[in-house]
Amino acid sequence: AQKVTQAQTEISVVEKEDVTLDCVYETRDTTYYLFWYKQPPSGELVFLIRRNSFDEQNEISGRYSWNFQKSTSSFNFTITASQVVDSAVYFCALSEVNSGYALNFGKGTSLLVTP
Amino acid sequence: GAVVSQHPSRVICKSGTSVKIECRSLDFQATTMFWYRQFPKQSLMLMATSNEGSKATYEQGVEKDKFLINHASLTLSTLTVTSAHPEDSSFYICSAPRSGGDIQYFGAGTRLSVL
Repeated sequence: AQKVTQAQTEISVVEKEDVTLDCVYETRDTTYYLFWYKQPPSGELVFLIRRNSFDEQNEISGRYSWNFQKSTSSFNFTITASQVVDSAVYFCALSEVNSGYALNFGKGTSLLVTP
Repeated sequence: GAVVSQHPSRVICKSGTSVKIECRSLDFQATTMFWYRQFPKQSLMLMATSNEGSKATYEQGVEKDKFLINHASLTLSTLTVTSAHPEDSSFYICSAPRSGGDIQYFGAGTRLSVL
């Protein structure tokens, strides 16, 4: 069963628009970690954020912000005032203690930001 | 700088040959490393968990005789794709968790093309 669901396969926005990438996860562990990664065409994974299950504080980093809600098992990612350089595939991932911390990735959301 | 080095970044080989990919943690010891595979326009899927001093653990559907994993030391894991075929063409990426396991460092990935 898919543990991480990213329902949006592709999103296209015009530069300067705000965009939210959805992520819903499923786990029975009480201790787990959630991640967001950016994958540009080069393929290398760029780490964006890590959140543990005990920290529901939302986080803002520049134009990026994350909304973690355990009640809905969601960890959504918002880019404010999007830029062309934000175009990439974004992956949400779950790491569980009981799985030895291997990452379960969602299917990814391909974001295209046009000028 | 990179804390996990993966080499080579790209390899093109003929069908039937074997290819070795190295994953090295640069400034920390990793008793566990993970190998993922990503087919074009798809997500990253865990192939196997490499364990220093013991046999690797393979995910369901991954042929252990085809994908040989050797965790030779606390800083090096290798993945050998034996008798590669065109369907093995993919992006292979390794990761190493640090200390408590909640922080994962990824290599830059290896793009394998089998002709």
